[in-house]
Amino acid sequence: AQKVTQAQTEISVVEKEDVTLDCVYETRDTTYYLFWYKQPPSGELVFLIRRNSFDEQNEISGRYSWNFQKSTSSFNFTITASQVVDSAVYFCALSEDFGNEKLTFGTGTRLTIIP
Amino acid sequence: EAQVTQNPRYLITVTGKKLTVTCSQNMNHEYMSWYRQDPGLGLRQIYYSMNVEVTDKGDVPEGYKVSRKEKRNFPLILESPSPNQTSLYFCASSRPRDRNSPLHFGNGTRLTVT
Repeated sequence: AQKVTQAQTEISVVEKEDVTLDCVYETRDTTYYLFWYKQPPSGELVFLIRRNSFDEQNEISGRYSWNFQKSTSSFNFTITASQVVDSAVYFCALSEDFGNEKLTFGTGTRLTIIP
Repeated sequence: EAQVTQNPRYLITVTGKKLTVTCSQNMNHEYMSWYRQDPGLGLRQIYYSMNVEVTDKGDVPEGYKVSRKEKRNFPLILESPSPNQTSLYFCASSRPRDRNSPLHFGNGTRLTVT
């Protein structure tokens, strides 16, 4: 069975600090996808990134970066120079390659950026 | 604009009164799904549909029904709502096996059952 663990329930950092959100996953599939979604206070789910299991290259998008390490089954998310607008709940999720496109979500990390 | 539209955004109802939450997508996606979000549990899948007239149970289907008579619509039906169905519900759609098509979520429906 698939499982995603986000051990950090809540994190608070002062604005402009860097912060890393941890995500550890479990799956027996050899092909799978990993995701990060952002849920701002308004409640919608905003897609941030999708990464397949064969692509271990780290990705950077502006202040956001992702570190995918198959050896430790982790897919961590770092925000550099955090801003108040980054305050949100962040979800890591996992899906198998074919069939039901179900996402198995972690329980989320609530990030608060203190001005 | 490509989007998944849920209605209503907020709904308060009483135990046992049938309700329907509508979901519509304008991206011609084959795949649609419903999730519920509860504190400390993340999001869990209720039902999904791979195409018109094809639906199947997710992880927490008890107390819910769905139908997929048209490609764009995937309503969630609560025949006899109970307080434990108080939750935040999300509809989602995607094009299966399309590496460039992540799951698109609607804006959510916050349901309270008293």
